[in-house]
Amino acid sequence: DGGITQSPKYLFRKEGQNVTLSCEQNLNHDAMYWYRQDPGQGLRLIYYSQIVNDFQKGDIAEGYSVSREKKESFPLTVTSAQKNPTAFYLCASSTPGLPSGNTIYFGEGSWLTVV
Amino acid sequence: RKEVEQDPGPFNVPEGATVAFNCTYSNSASQSFFWYRQDCRKEPKLLMSVYSSGNEDGRFTAQLNRASQYISLLIRDSKLSDSATYLCAVTRSYGGATNKLIFGTGTLLAVQP
Repeated sequence: DGGITQSPKYLFRKEGQNVTLSCEQNLNHDAMYWYRQDPGQGLRLIYYSQIVNDFQKGDIAEGYSVSREKKESFPLTVTSAQKNPTAFYLCASSTPGLPSGNTIYFGEGSWLTVV
Repeated sequence: RKEVEQDPGPFNVPEGATVAFNCTYSNSASQSFFWYRQDCRKEPKLLMSVYSSGNEDGRFTAQLNRASQYISLLIRDSKLSDSATYLCAVTRSYGGATNKLIFGTGTLLAVQP
């Protein structure tokens, strides 16, 4: 089945550790995105990538890093510099010229908890 | 001021009620508008796009008012299964030709039996 796969679904991290969230899509989409959602909050854009080997900072990129070495993959690393990383992380992808709304797809999300 | 604002709710309504949500946006250059539904601990899913002429999908009606910079969602004959968080989203240009989806904080709807 086509779609976006995020892993792991649940992750616990000790303070001071980096952690990488995986996002893979088989929809042949050029654009990929990472959003963060805090309880009772909307989605905030962390990073986005329009094409392989290129990515741009979103509204809250500090403390995060990404790579886009393959079209299908857009992993997000939450570094120790991120002061409050506990959140729900959502990966999305879309066809070019986003968004028309019906061409953006979300993964099921990853829950990160810092302990 | 947030770029996209919604009343967080919760909206507690009985089954069969009609409920309306509003969402305001601050960037007059915003181009496209959407309503998403998000169930608890799940990813958002597109409910409907919003057009200037208004659009309807069954019990759901969406409206756009560009002059006042707000969009609305009307749900008629509420069902228990409508209980969820409803997020509005608008696009804006972000450092180039590509538009990005900016989300509101969402409005929680709880339909009571």
